[in-house]
Amino acid sequence: AQKITQTQPGMFVQEKEAVTLDCTYDTSDQSYGLFWYKQPSSGEMIFLIYQGSYDEQNATEGRYSLNFQKARKSANLVISASQLGDSAMYFCAMRETLYSGAGSYQLTFGKGTKLSVIP
Amino acid sequence: EAGVAQSPRYKIIEKRQSVAFWCNPISGHATLYWYQQILGQGPKLLIQFQNNGVVDDSQLPKDRFSAERLKGVDSTLKIQPAKLEDSAVYLCASSLTPTSEETQYFGPGTRLLVL
Repeated sequence: AQKITQTQPGMFVQEKEAVTLDCTYDTSDQSYGLFWYKQPSSGEMIFLIYQGSYDEQNATEGRYSLNFQKARKSANLVISASQLGDSAMYFCAMRETLYSGAGSYQLTFGKGTKLSVIP
Repeated sequence: EAGVAQSPRYKIIEKRQSVAFWCNPISGHATLYWYQQILGQGPKLLIQFQNNGVVDDSQLPKDRFSAERLKGVDSTLKIQPAKLEDSAVYLCASSLTPTSEETQYFGPGTRLLVL
């Protein structure tokens, strides 16, 4: 079973509008972290926002916010006031605890959503 | 603060040849990761180092892939011999510590094409 599911292969949004990118996850861990990364065509993965499983408040970073619904196991990314530079692939990722005794915290990624911002 | 550095940025080889990638993490970051990203997919972890020790290499194809981080700083990932299905972007990332809330910072990646 997939641990991270991003159901939107591609999304379009008008410049200056808000857009929500969906992400659902599957884990039996009590403690985990959820991340969103942006990957422009240049290839580098750029960290956007983090939400811990015990955080009661939704995370926000500038124009990015994470709509965290723990019971539904969803962690949607909301981008407000879209800009042309927001056009990129967006990946949702989860970090669980591998109880290997060695402290490994593997980051598992979804397949991504390609966001295109229209002028 | 300098980010994660990787080289080369692009590499084209023929199948059965060998290739090596280099990564220099952010200064002071103890944990280093190598990911493989096949076109149209998210990155997949190949190996994780804590200082110069391997923490997790469960998804590394050990018959052809090897990696080392001898002095606990920079790292090399080698493929020998390469197969067509190894064509991908190889991403290096680092984090200060390996805890669950610690952010991983990625380098620009090396795009490998195997012909």
